[in-house]
Amino acid sequence: AQSVTQLGSHVSVSEGALVLLRCNYSSSVPPYLFWYVQYPNQGLQLLLKYTTGATLVKGINGFEAEFKKSETSFHLTKPSAHMSDAAEYFCAVSGTNAGKSTFGDGTTLTVKP
Amino acid sequence: DTGVSQDPRHKITKRGQNVTFRCDPISEHNRLYWYRQTLGQGPEFLTYFQNEAQLEKSRLLSDRFSAERPKGSFSTLEIQRTEQGDSAMYLCASSGTGPRGTEAFFGQGTRLTVV
Repeated sequence: AQSVTQLGSHVSVSEGALVLLRCNYSSSVPPYLFWYVQYPNQGLQLLLKYTTGATLVKGINGFEAEFKKSETSFHLTKPSAHMSDAAEYFCAVSGTNAGKSTFGDGTTLTVKP
Repeated sequence: DTGVSQDPRHKITKRGQNVTFRCDPISEHNRLYWYRQTLGQGPEFLTYFQNEAQLEKSRLLSDRFSAERPKGSFSTLEIQRTEQGDSAMYLCASSGTGPRGTEAFFGQGTRLTVV
């Protein structure tokens, strides 16, 4: 069984500030972990993924995340927020079938000018 | 490669009517997935196919829902006797297997509104 908890359904930052979106997971098998972004009435776009190997993964648009097995966490960060980062962000966990994922409830990121 | 395509993008239907959605996966992908996303929630897995075989169905997929992938290419999701609770975004995704199966690619979704 797998589950994802995203801490904070809404996060607000100023433009240029650090973005930190939190994700904790549970999984009975070695996890694959993902962060997706979703804009209104759109599908999901993959930001980054962890499957195996290096625990610090870099994604698109300056985002990165670190897999911490001991803390069962996969938090998403970006050093400097841009207005275009305002969107809904989802953390997801799967086993080796990456398409069969369990998603968190999402975090809405607001970026203030 | 144009990505995963879903049709229609929006559908409004009256309660009790049947609706059908189509998904065209990335051509070389042999796995295809359906998800449902309600407002304010993350996507929830419904079912998936490997080639034409439906390998897994979620408990969320009631007997009013049926999915097919007849030739292992496109897939359809049909909802019979729609209810207001069926209003949601229906997302389709596809992936490969093995080394090409480490991520799924999502379509733009079909937004269903049942009135």
